[in-house]
Amino acid sequence: DAGVIQSPRHEVTEMGQEVTLRCKPISGHDYLFWYRQTMMRGLELLIYFNNNVPIDDSGMPEDRFSAKMPNASFSTLKIQPSEPRDSAVYFCASSFSGQGAPGDTQYFGPGTRLTVL
Amino acid sequence: DQQVKQNSPSLSVQEGRISILNCDYTNSMFDYFLWYKKYPAEGPTFLISISSIKDKNEDGRFTVFLNKSAKHLSLHIVPSQPGDSAVYFCAASAVGNQFYFGTGTSLTVIP
Repeated sequence: DAGVIQSPRHEVTEMGQEVTLRCKPISGHDYLFWYRQTMMRGLELLIYFNNNVPIDDSGMPEDRFSAKMPNASFSTLKIQPSEPRDSAVYFCASSFSGQGAPGDTQYFGPGTRLTVL
Repeated sequence: DQQVKQNSPSLSVQEGRISILNCDYTNSMFDYFLWYKKYPAEGPTFLISISSIKDKNEDGRFTVFLNKSAKHLSLHIVPSQPGDSAVYFCAASAVGNQFYFGTGTSLTVIP
């Protein structure tokens, strides 16, 4: 398997523009997670899906952020409108059996580095 | 509020010596702990884990220690190698709940 695939790897945009980040999880994984990495807060969970259904979006910072998972092999994270403070690395991860289960682990994609000017 | 804390943003160690990375947590309900390793321009990769029923788990050069009374977790790397230079994240969860990650510790192993 190719692992978790994210695109684009880098995104530079101007404040106010819409940004869409994409993720393809590992085939067969039922859980998909979106994280944001910042220096101050480390890896923050934004939202996660189980079988394409959003389970917990309490980490989504504002209404400007939205995420969808139309099918088992694709998810998007959208920011509209983007702001400079959204600049961070965004990771997508997937797992087989769900969070917190002993023996389970999450597989991360390479991340998208977002810069909002 | 950070439920998992890594208070040392960086650590430098000579090759061959021991690296000790520390992690503290606040939630006594956490019962599963992991360490992830991250190289630049890559996503974190799983390194080692421990459940709360143990106080030590070893995998080759890597050993994780858990002190539940102190709510403290540590990762020992012996001997340290230059290829171990990376950012290390600790994470914790309660069964059925999300993982909480720390802010990471950047380890540099000096040849």
